[in-house]
Amino acid sequence: DTEVTQTPKHLVMGMTNKKSLKCEQHMGHRAMYWYKQKAKKPPELMFVYSYEKLSINESVPSRFSPECPNSSLLNLHLHALQPEDSALYLCASSQEGQYNSPLHFGNGTRLTVT
Amino acid sequence: AQKVTQAQTEISVVEKEDVTLDCVYETRDTTYYLFWYKQPPSGELVFLIRRNSFDEQNEISGRYSWNFQKSTSSFNFTITASQVVDSAVYFCAPYPNFGNEKLTFGTGTRLTIIP
Repeated sequence: DTEVTQTPKHLVMGMTNKKSLKCEQHMGHRAMYWYKQKAKKPPELMFVYSYEKLSINESVPSRFSPECPNSSLLNLHLHALQPEDSALYLCASSQEGQYNSPLHFGNGTRLTVT
Repeated sequence: AQKVTQAQTEISVVEKEDVTLDCVYETRDTTYYLFWYKQPPSGELVFLIRRNSFDEQNEISGRYSWNFQKSTSSFNFTITASQVVDSAVYFCAPYPNFGNEKLTFGTGTRLTIIP
């Protein structure tokens, strides 16, 4: 079983909807990440939180809004998405920032925007 | 500029055969880390191994082995006596030793083990 839990597993939303993706880890990791993965492509980094502060934003459109309420939780708020935003969204955590610590990934949320 | 190449897009082998996945990382950096991740059909990425560029010793873990050769910038991954459960996409991911840079994944190799 993965130690990073993501909910929901699947999400279908319209372009005018507001929804949130949730991620939780209890490994004591202080860095958390959001990745986006399109079909047959490698994961692409979206955001990094280090010690609950946003440290990297990979020029992600503002319709994606991350939030880190505490060191164990990471949310991704979605609003006014486009069909091309349909993808697998992966959450990950690591012991420290973006350095040499391995990332632990969740199972992902498969998002479909209609 | 740094570049990671996984030239094999898809590989299919019959169960129990050995298979090697190639990864080439071109960089001017003298120090860096290299990771391999596995992504089974269920979707989550699973960390397999991390190696430092100073360490060129081969590593073996059960049926998995890794061969790192800095002179050719290659970090290849071999599965011995493959099993159906090895079917997955495998990503090579280099990371520079310095600076707050993102972990960049290679394009991945889709491995299918035929029973």
